[in-house]
Amino acid sequence: GENVEQHPSTLSVQEGDSAVIKCTYSDSASNYFPWYKQELGKGPQLIIDIRSNVGEKKDQRIAVTLNKTAKHFSLHITETQPEDSAVYFCAASSPRDDKIIFGKGTRLHILP
Amino acid sequence: DAMVIQNPRYQVTQFGKPVTLSCSQTLNHNVMYWYQQKSSQAPKLLFHYYDKDFNNEADTPDNFQSRRPNTSFCFLDIRSPGLGDAAMYLCATSRELMGTSTDTQYFGPGTRLTVL
Repeated sequence: GENVEQHPSTLSVQEGDSAVIKCTYSDSASNYFPWYKQELGKGPQLIIDIRSNVGEKKDQRIAVTLNKTAKHFSLHITETQPEDSAVYFCAASSPRDDKIIFGKGTRLHILP
Repeated sequence: DAMVIQNPRYQVTQFGKPVTLSCSQTLNHNVMYWYQQKSSQAPKLLFHYYDKDFNNEADTPDNFQSRRPNTSFCFLDIRSPGLGDAAMYLCATSRELMGTSTDTQYFGPGTRLTVL
């Protein structure tokens, strides 16, 4: 089955700098890659997603890139703000499965 | 505005006392999922319903059951909660099964379960 690895597990960046979180997946048939942000005590919130027919997608300060050959995708947050502090999960979904497989999460700290 | 609603947000039960958590959705999605999330871990899928078709994950303990009486509601029943079942329980929905062209999964706010 699919396996998703996520790095780093913790990331601290200065406010205003960029943050990058990287994930790799194992199933070459995976075709959908969502990113979730989870604040303390809340449910995961979908912030951006990308499908395998697209290499990059951007929404304001957030962008996701996908390299199908390398089976790797990344989340980029620019001009980070204190409210970006949260745990971020990447995930992958394959037509072989009826579910999404999550990475282990990255705790992002934005330093003042 | 809320699309996936979970009640209650906090639930306290006693060891061995059955407890039911509820989820409702206003999205009219076909699929509803239940996840268990422990501290500093990723959500772990317990089971899902595609319409009335129930699908259990292989490693979900028998202690966990689910009911979906209609499209909008889904319940998680924990028959005899143990201390290890204390966790955040998340409900999610998607229009169709993951792996289709319209797959996107939306989560509710979660119910935090404490077992005394």
